[in-house]
Amino acid sequence: DTEVTQTPKHLVMGMTNKKSLKCEQHMGHRAMYWYKQKAKKPPELMFVYSYEKLSINESVPSRFSPECPNSSLLNLHLHALQPEDSALYLCASSQAIRAALRGYTFGSGTRLTVV
Amino acid sequence: DAKTTQPNSMESNEEEPVHLPCNHSTISGTDYIHWYRQLPSQGPEYVIHGLTSNVNNRMASLAIAEDRKSSTLILHRATLRDAAVYYCILRDAGGPAGGTSYGKLTFGQGTILTVHP
Repeated sequence: DTEVTQTPKHLVMGMTNKKSLKCEQHMGHRAMYWYKQKAKKPPELMFVYSYEKLSINESVPSRFSPECPNSSLLNLHLHALQPEDSALYLCASSQAIRAALRGYTFGSGTRLTVV
Repeated sequence: DAKTTQPNSMESNEEEPVHLPCNHSTISGTDYIHWYRQLPSQGPEYVIHGLTSNVNNRMASLAIAEDRKSSTLILHRATLRDAAVYYCILRDAGGPAGGTSYGKLTFGQGTILTVHP
């Protein structure tokens, strides 16, 4: 299995809703990432998990809450989002050791719309 | 991460070679040059990476200037499926954990490649 699977593919949520995005990989990668991508812009890093521990938080608002319950699964919990949070949310994974020498594998993303 | 500069857009014809340039004049000795591409409605896809020597794989070739201040991604025969945004990214490999930018893959604006039939 050489894929990163993200669910759901599309999500529409209200500003008072709570929802979660899910990301799964079975490549034995021990580093996992969340990126946010607005239309016609490059992806922006949000969070990095290494060996199931949060190692980087790029000053993301607390309405986004990541969770890594095991080495194959990464969640992004959403609460009280704003319309400007509407974007494509991308998950990626990579080997953790000597990360700069490795390629990342990205999922196809979850297209989130906040209404 | 050191900064890269790429043209905003390029065009090519199908079955012709494409040379996508990237300037990285502030590259450090421990920076690897990575290329990713993002097809419409998909996540980015790893293409190739290198340090000093030219590299080839099934997708593309990477030509690195002798002073490492620039590189070129070469698609030998462009197809319509190669139409995408191509990102050139520097990754710091210094240090035991892969450098001070460990875990951070930072995307620039990239080059939009259009392939004409």
